[in-house]
Amino acid sequence: DTGVSQDPRHKITKRGQNVTFRCDPISEHNRLYWYRQTLGQGPEFLTYFQNEAQLEKSRLLSDRFSAERPKGSFSTLEIQRTEQGDSAMYLCASSLGRMDSPLHFGNGTRLTVT
Amino acid sequence: KNQVEQSPQSLIILEGKNCTLQCNYTVSPFSNLRWYKQDTGRGPVSLTIMTFSENTKSNGRYTATLDADTKQSSLHITASQLSDSASYICVVGPRDLNYGGSQGNLIFGKGTKLSVKP
Repeated sequence: DTGVSQDPRHKITKRGQNVTFRCDPISEHNRLYWYRQTLGQGPEFLTYFQNEAQLEKSRLLSDRFSAERPKGSFSTLEIQRTEQGDSAMYLCASSLGRMDSPLHFGNGTRLTVT
Repeated sequence: KNQVEQSPQSLIILEGKNCTLQCNYTVSPFSNLRWYKQDTGRGPVSLTIMTFSENTKSNGRYTATLDADTKQSSLHITASQLSDSASYICVVGPRDLNYGGSQGNLIFGKGTKLSVKP
């Protein structure tokens, strides 16, 4: 399967702990996006990368959140000092970055903070 | 404020029937409009992408229309199947003048939850 893969699929953590998620995009895609989705809502934009450069961050992304994409390949999203409000599905997507390019989503990492 | 509103919030139809989902947006400047299908517990999958100059785009039994003047789009599903049960999300891409196209911050609607019953 050469689609977008995310790891882990599920993560349960205690409040205050740090967590890190990984996303492996489709190899030829230069754009990589992170979204957060809660039940009954559409995905909310967090941040995106063009190759290794982080071009935009949402105001939703507090200083407890950090994302990296070293070498422009896989990406990690870290949440420090997790809070119960961080519980959500974290989706990664990649694309070729052209105006008509679809986003290809992974199946997400579901985070539960207890 | 850039917003995407979808209606209805949920819809139940019988297998084999047609249905139409609506999307209104206030995004400006506007570059493109997308429809995604999201099965429960999975990531969204792209159905159609239309640029501001396109009026309609089909993908099998799915047909999307766009009226850029009224800022409305619809997704029509023909001869529904049980596997069409999912959330359908309308997504609008603002034009990013710095990067020459729709980049980064796509704006997602909350989706319409469709249930197809036998």
